[in-house]
Amino acid sequence: ETGVTQSPTHLIKTRGQQVTLRCSSQSGHNTVSWYQQALGQGPQFIFQYYREEENGRGNFPPRFSGLQFPNYSSELNVNALELDDSALYLCASSSGLRTDTQYFGPGTRLTVL
Amino acid sequence: KQEVTQIPAALSVPEGENLVLNCSFTDSAIYNLQWFRQDPGKGLTSLLLIQSSQREQTSGRLNASLDKSSGRSTLYIAASQPGDSATYLCAVQRNNNDMRFGAGTRLTVKP
Repeated sequence: ETGVTQSPTHLIKTRGQQVTLRCSSQSGHNTVSWYQQALGQGPQFIFQYYREEENGRGNFPPRFSGLQFPNYSSELNVNALELDDSALYLCASSSGLRTDTQYFGPGTRLTVL
Repeated sequence: KQEVTQIPAALSVPEGENLVLNCSFTDSAIYNLQWFRQDPGKGLTSLLLIQSSQREQTSGRLNASLDKSSGRSTLYIAASQPGDSATYLCAVQRNNNDMRFGAGTRLTVKP
């Protein structure tokens, strides 16, 4: 059974640029959630995708957008990067909505200069 | 609005000690509560999940309790080891889809 993977591991961008982060969900999982974790804080929910449809969104502006593909992998896109977007971005997959356990990937560390 | 607070923010104990980490939340309308472990710069590993109808869960040296009415959960770690050093996060899942996390307790277990 393959776990949740994310790419890239690290990324450095400059303010105003756009970035795409990728997540491959665990085998058999159809739900992917994305979280932003700033240094020293807990993760904050960005949004969730269930069977290729957005299924809930946290308090993040529209420049944070996502996609889920037929194989249930997912992308997080962030436009017009700001310095405060520097964080660890985590994705988590699960086998359904409000299911028992979300399995987290190792994260992508984004630095915006 | 759901707020999750973890106390203490950091804890340092000698090896072998039993310890308790605390988590409180403001809205008792939760679906479940979960404790995670996070090593520096890494993702989260689920330790224990307690459904809203349950009072506690145990796994090895770990025991988590949930008192939904008072908005509190504790994570008890018995006979701590240096390998337990990490940040421990609690998260509550509401009756929608997002999980709300506390800021974590950074645990150091000294040999």
